[in-house]
Amino acid sequence: AQRVTQPEKLLSVFKGAPVELKCNYSYSGSPELFWYVQYSRQRLQLLLRHISRESIKGFTADLNKGETSFHLKKPFAQEEDSAMYYCALSNSGYALNFGKGTSLLVTP
Amino acid sequence: DTEVTQTPKHLVMGMTNKKSLKCEQHMGHRAMYWYKQKAKKPPELMFVYSYEKLSINESVPSRFSPECPNSSLLNLHLHALQPEDSALYLCASSQDIFSGANVLTFGAGSRLTVL
Repeated sequence: AQRVTQPEKLLSVFKGAPVELKCNYSYSGSPELFWYVQYSRQRLQLLLRHISRESIKGFTADLNKGETSFHLKKPFAQEEDSAMYYCALSNSGYALNFGKGTSLLVTP
Repeated sequence: DTEVTQTPKHLVMGMTNKKSLKCEQHMGHRAMYWYKQKAKKPPELMFVYSYEKLSINESVPSRFSPECPNSSLLNLHLHALQPEDSALYLCASSQDIFSGANVLTFGAGSRLTVL
């Protein structure tokens, strides 16, 4: 069975501090992993996906198959990064299964 | 047009009512999805349509009835709902269900309250 675990419900950091949102997964095949973000009063939107290995809004995430992790990182958090972040796993291109989400709060 | 449009934005209905939620996209996507999201919880998959055919039904009660009249439209018909069905219903679409790293585009949601 596939499962996505985000151990932190809430993460609070100061502006300018590094931030890491943890995501672990269990899946028997080759996973396709994503980070989605939901800003206040906005729709859920893609932040980044492991297959493209890109940096979006300063965020990066590396798939570590040995540790079955896909942690989201940013070296210097900004107040506008405050949002709900969901790690998600796609089963062979099928629909996404989401983790429970981590609420990131960046304070000045 | 790169959006998924959902109507209505808000819906209040009684347990005996029949109503429908609508979703539309004009991105040429051939996969469409319904998710249910309760407050402070992640979205939960309900249905997946691929090329206008129901591909996945995640054991959703029959009081929710999806319909895909064409490749651009997805409806969710509601009948005899319970108060615990109150939630944000999200529609999403993607290129198809076969592409690697299938990216979903979400609508803003329809907030349903069942009295």
